[in-house]
Amino acid sequence: AQTVTQSQPEMSVQEAETVTLSCTYDTSENNYYLFWYKQPPSRQMILVIRQEAYKQQNATENRFSVNFQKAAKSFSLKISDSQLGDTAMYFCAFMISWNTGKLIFGQGTTLQVKP
Amino acid sequence: EAGVAQSPRYKIIEKRQSVAFWCNPISGHATLYWYQQILGQGPKLLIQFQNNGVVDDSQLPKDRFSAERLKGVDSTLKIQPAKLEDSAVYLCASSLVGGEKLFFGSGTQLSVL
Repeated sequence: AQTVTQSQPEMSVQEAETVTLSCTYDTSENNYYLFWYKQPPSRQMILVIRQEAYKQQNATENRFSVNFQKAAKSFSLKISDSQLGDTAMYFCAFMISWNTGKLIFGQGTTLQVKP
Repeated sequence: EAGVAQSPRYKIIEKRQSVAFWCNPISGHATLYWYQQILGQGPKLLIQFQNNGVVDDSQLPKDRFSAERLKGVDSTLKIQPAKLEDSAVYLCASSLVGGEKLFFGSGTQLSVL
């Protein structure tokens, strides 16, 4: 069975600084997909970034980038130039099959950006 | 483009009562998901529909939970009877096809007293 672990329940960062959120996962599959979702107080899950396991290049989306280490089964999220609007819960998620779309989420990391 | 609509936003009931949640996915999205998010945890998939057929309901407690998606559009999730441990946020999501980008609604927060 696939599992996703986020070992940092809470983190804080000063506005404009950089922060890294950690995620590890366990799977015996070779092809899969990894995601970071943001959940603000509105509760709506918002896709931040996506990584396909077969791609060696790390995904980037503006201020967000990932460090994907397939052998170590590690998938961290780096937020550069943190903004107050980045304050939210962040979830790492795993998808084994593009056809099913079933996401397996980690426990989440609460990020607070301080002015 | 309208997002995924869910109602009600909040619901408070007593244990052993029944409750129903409603979800209207984005127009044209064939796949619909119901997730349960208990406080302090990540969401867990309860059931997945492809059009009006069930793809995965392996984690749905079928003795008390039921879900349907009539005509492959709107969906309802029902709990009967509710238990204290059912207190959670119930999130609905939809996608065009399978794992293509999922769009989430704002969820229904259920409190069972």
